[in-house]
Amino acid sequence: NAGVTQTPKFRILKIGQSMTLQCTQDMNHNYMYWYRQDPGMGLKLIYYSVGAGITDKGEVPNGYNVSRSTTEDFPLRLELAAPSQTSVYFCASSPTAYEQYFGPGTRLTVT
Amino acid sequence: QQQVKQSPQSLIVQKGGISIINCAYENTAFDYFPWYQQFPGKGPALLIAIRPDVSEKKEGRFTISFNKSAKQFSLHIMDSQPGDSATYFCAASVEGSARQLTFGSGTQLTVLP
Repeated sequence: NAGVTQTPKFRILKIGQSMTLQCTQDMNHNYMYWYRQDPGMGLKLIYYSVGAGITDKGEVPNGYNVSRSTTEDFPLRLELAAPSQTSVYFCASSPTAYEQYFGPGTRLTVT
Repeated sequence: QQQVKQSPQSLIVQKGGISIINCAYENTAFDYFPWYQQFPGKGPALLIAIRPDVSEKKEGRFTISFNKSAKQFSLHIMDSQPGDSATYFCAASVEGSARQLTFGSGTQLTVLP
């Protein structure tokens, strides 16, 4: 099992550009999550999904969109990137919504 | 508004010592309290978790102490080792909404050899 994989590992975007952060898990978990981690701030939930076709907003959803067409994939879309979206993004999955398994993260810089 | 407050922000401990990290929460609906460990360049990994129906949970050198009336919980790392050097996050969740985790701000632990 590869677990939770995220691509790319690093990315630099210019203000106003768009991009998709990819997240894939091979553990057949129903629950998937996107977090952002800012220095000294802990992790904040952006969006989550309880299964294919079902997504919902977390604490900080503005400026982001998600989709969940399959159990395995949960991409995060950034439209019109802003400097405030400079962060490390983590995807996680869970079989039960209790123990969450995190991917290695994507470090995004918007300049 | 931060709902889980974590302290200290950083902690330096000698090898073999006890590391203690504290968290306080406000939302009395929280009913699951995990601790995550994160090494540089990696994603967080679940270390240990507790439910409010018990006051203590121990797994190896790691112990969670839980005080429901004070709305506080803490992580104790006994016989701390240099390999324990990492950032530790407390978190809390409620039933429903896929158990969204509310994280503390993290504690950077350094264990000196």
